[in-house]
Amino acid sequence: AQSVSQHNHHVILSEAASLELGCNYSYGGTVNLFWYVQYPGQHLQLLLKYFSGDPLVKGIKGFEAEFIKSKFSFNLRKPSVQWSDTAEYFCAVSNSGSARQLTFGSGTQLTVLP
Amino acid sequence: NAGVTQTPKFRVLKTGQSMTLLCAQDMNHEYMYWYRQDPGMGLRLIHYSVGEGTTAKGEVPDGYNVSRLKKQNFLLGLESAAPSQTSVYFCASSYSGGTTEAFFGQGTRLTVV
Repeated sequence: AQSVSQHNHHVILSEAASLELGCNYSYGGTVNLFWYVQYPGQHLQLLLKYFSGDPLVKGIKGFEAEFIKSKFSFNLRKPSVQWSDTAEYFCAVSNSGSARQLTFGSGTQLTVLP
Repeated sequence: NAGVTQTPKFRVLKTGQSMTLLCAQDMNHEYMYWYRQDPGMGLRLIHYSVGEGTTAKGEVPDGYNVSRLKKQNFLLGLESAAPSQTSVYFCASSYSGGTTEAFFGQGTRLTVV
C-alpha cells in the first residue's frame, strides 16, 4: 500500500520569504505525484503534478516541485511567498495499478504574515 | 459548467440517524471518490468507483455505504451515524483515476451529536 508523509504540520513565514514543504512517499512501483492547495473555506485545487519526464515541474502561482526518486520525495517550493498563499497544502500520490487511488498526506498549514 | 457539486453543504445529525450525501459531476468522469477530512489527518479515502455500477472500499469504509447507479452521481450513505463520523466530506472525480487531475466538490460539513 502507498503512503504519504508531510512532516511540516504548520509553517509560518513572512511575505517574500522562500518556501519549501516536504513530502515523502512510500511505494515500490511507478507513481504519479500531486500537490493540491486548499484555501480557507474552499475546496482542493490542483497546484501541480508529476507523471514522468523532467523531475522539476512548475505549477500555478509560481510554485514548483522536484521529484527525487532516490529519496522518494516530491518537495514543493516557491521563491517568494505572498499573503494570499496562506492555505493548507496537500501532497498526494497515486500508483499506476488498477485501483489508481489518490492517497493524501496529512497536510501542511501555511500561514504567511503580511 | 458546475464541475463537482455536493449536497447538502452542512448537516447536523443525532447519533443513530441516517442520511445520504449526494455528489454530482458533469464532466463525464469515470472515477469518483468520497474522502473525509479530519484535522491533522489529511484526506482519507472512504469509498471509490471506477465506473457506473461499480464501487470499492478505500482506507476507512466502515460505517459507510455507497452507490453509483448513474455515471454522474455518487451517493454516500450513513446508516447509523456516530459521533466519530463528524467530519468534512469531500467528493472528487477524475477522468481516468490517479493519472489525471481530480476535481473536488465544495465539501459537506457533518456534525453528529
